[in-house]
Amino acid sequence: GAVVSQHPSRVICKSGTSVKIECRSLDFQATTMFWYRQFPKKSLMLMATSNEGSKATYEQGVEKDKFLINHASLTLSTLTVTSAHPEDSSFYICSARLAGSQETQYFGPGTRLLVL
Amino acid sequence: DAKTTQPPSMDCAEGRAANLPCNHSTISGNEYVYWYRQIHSQGPQYIIHGLKNNETNEMASLIITEDRKSSTLILPHATLRDTAVYYCIVSTNAGKSTFGDGTTLTVKP
Repeated sequence: GAVVSQHPSRVICKSGTSVKIECRSLDFQATTMFWYRQFPKKSLMLMATSNEGSKATYEQGVEKDKFLINHASLTLSTLTVTSAHPEDSSFYICSARLAGSQETQYFGPGTRLLVL
Repeated sequence: DAKTTQPPSMDCAEGRAANLPCNHSTISGNEYVYWYRQIHSQGPQYIIHGLKNNETNEMASLIITEDRKSSTLILPHATLRDTAVYYCIVSTNAGKSTFGDGTTLTVKP
């Protein structure tokens, strides 16, 4: 149980375009989802905390207008990278917190973004 | 968030127990210790977590010291597929977690 999916798994886009990444909890409801990014050979860096029905909380240094997060339902959160640039190329990973599970996070498989 | 310290890398022979240490000396009383692992180019996989008691599941055992300042993840019979980066993190009530650099475990035949 506790499966989280992400779509797409990889995407290539042109500089200046916007890219939307979906994160879904498949078999449980998640009031809180988290978005991370990871550069090669580096650890995960928390970008923002997404709460259903409210505005996301962004970590220091993460531009909220650049990385738009919407958490419209208990099973879906989306991250939109707006006006993407090559430096936005990265591995984006979401996680969903299973309510009542002592805060266990379950991670999606990740989305690899390449901006040309 | 409490910070964790892990050795950057460890080797283990296939079939032997892998013992991965983690220091979390600034952990608060209500923070859980979590272990995840990440195989190359995949999302992290949950392994186990605990508060103060030792825990065991089908994947691993977690030993937490009495003062809660350190813990050890034990993979009882490591296989080649256990080669991964292992992250020890502590999690607040809000579920927010800070990932350190983790330990790269290499299981060798």
